[in-house]
Amino acid sequence: DAGVIQSPRHEVTEMGQEVTLRCKPISGHDYLFWYRQTMMRGLELLIYFNNNVPIDDSGMPEDRFSAKMPNASFSTLKIQPSEPRDSAVYFCASSLSYRASGQETQYFGPGTRLLVL
Amino acid sequence: KNEVEQSPQNLTAQEGEFITINCSYSVGISALHWLQQHPGGGIVSLFMLSSGKKKHGRLIATINIQEKHSSLHITASHPRDSAVYICAVKSKGLQSYGKLTFGQGTILTVHP
Repeated sequence: DAGVIQSPRHEVTEMGQEVTLRCKPISGHDYLFWYRQTMMRGLELLIYFNNNVPIDDSGMPEDRFSAKMPNASFSTLKIQPSEPRDSAVYFCASSLSYRASGQETQYFGPGTRLLVL
Repeated sequence: KNEVEQSPQNLTAQEGEFITINCSYSVGISALHWLQQHPGGGIVSLFMLSSGKKKHGRLIATINIQEKHSSLHITASHPRDSAVYICAVKSKGLQSYGKLTFGQGTILTVHP
């Protein structure tokens, strides 16, 4: 399996622009997570899905952020409008449920490095 | 105070040394994860623990649920072990399934 795939790997944009980050989870995984990593705050969970349904979005910073999972093999994280403080590395991860796998190992994608000028 | 505290924040060692990284947490948990983040940024899951000890090669992870503490040990350290090691906990409760809270990470540098 190719692992979790994220695109783009790097994104540079100007303040006010819309940014869309994409994630393809590992085939068969039923959990998908979006994380943000900054120097100041470390890794933070933004939102996670189970079977394409958002379960917990309490980590989403504000209404400018939205996430969707239209099917089991694709998710997007959108920022509109973007601001310089959104500059961070955004990771997507996927996992199998404990019931299915007996463990909860999360497999991380390579991340998208976002810079908002 | 953060729910998950790691120590030390930075650690420098000579090749071959025994290394210990500590993680303390303040909430009831159902599992604790140790992650490794390479200098290039990729994150790899090393261990998931709910009790006792696990070993994988030169890496050993232990957890003491009563004391709310976990340690990650690296025996015979090597420069390729240089990375950021992150502790993450999963709180108890069905509503929190999969939801991890992360420590700030420990930056390990192993010199040849």
